[in-house]
Amino acid sequence: AQKVTQAQTEISVVEKEDVTLDCVYETRDTTYYLFWYKQPPSGELVFLIRRNSFDEQNEISGRYSWNFQKSTSSFNFTITASQVVDSAVYFCALSEPYNAGNMLTFGGGTRLMVKP
Amino acid sequence: DAGVIQSPRHEVTEMGQEVTLRCKPISGHNSLFWYRQTMMRGLELLIYFNNNVPIDDSGMPEDRFSAKMPNASFSTLKIQPSEPRDSAVYFCASSLATGGSETQYFGPGTRLLVL
Repeated sequence: AQKVTQAQTEISVVEKEDVTLDCVYETRDTTYYLFWYKQPPSGELVFLIRRNSFDEQNEISGRYSWNFQKSTSSFNFTITASQVVDSAVYFCALSEPYNAGNMLTFGGGTRLMVKP
Repeated sequence: DAGVIQSPRHEVTEMGQEVTLRCKPISGHNSLFWYRQTMMRGLELLIYFNNNVPIDDSGMPEDRFSAKMPNASFSTLKIQPSEPRDSAVYFCASSLATGGSETQYFGPGTRLLVL
């Protein structure tokens, strides 16, 4: 069975601090995909990144970076020099295309509050 | 390009009434998903379609819920009769399925309140 755990339900930081959001997943499949989505206060779900299980290279996009480690089944998300606009709920998700089609299993989300 | 379009954005209804939520996926996408988000249960997949055919509806809570996709550009999620516990945000998402697991793009959601 798929499972995604985001142990941090809420994080509060002050602007310009770095913050890391943790994501731990469980899967029996060797082929899987991991995703991060952002849900700002306006409510929509915004896609941030998609990573397949064969690509363990870390990714950086501006102030965002992702650390994928298969050895610990983790796909952590770091925001460098956080800004107030980063305040949102962030979801990690897992997909096993060959066992569960294109269905996404979401973690419970981490609410990030960035204070000025 | 237009993203996923959902209507209505907000719906307030009384218990027992029929509710119909609508979704227009991104043009060219062949998979469509309906999710429900609540504080208690988080994001749950209700049903998904591939090439207009329902593939997995195991997440549909009960017979009061039904979903259709009559063509590639339109889907509905119907609740009849509605109950207060159906109050939630309902999201529609679409993707271009190519055999792997392609990114799902979400609509803005429909916030449903059943009184």
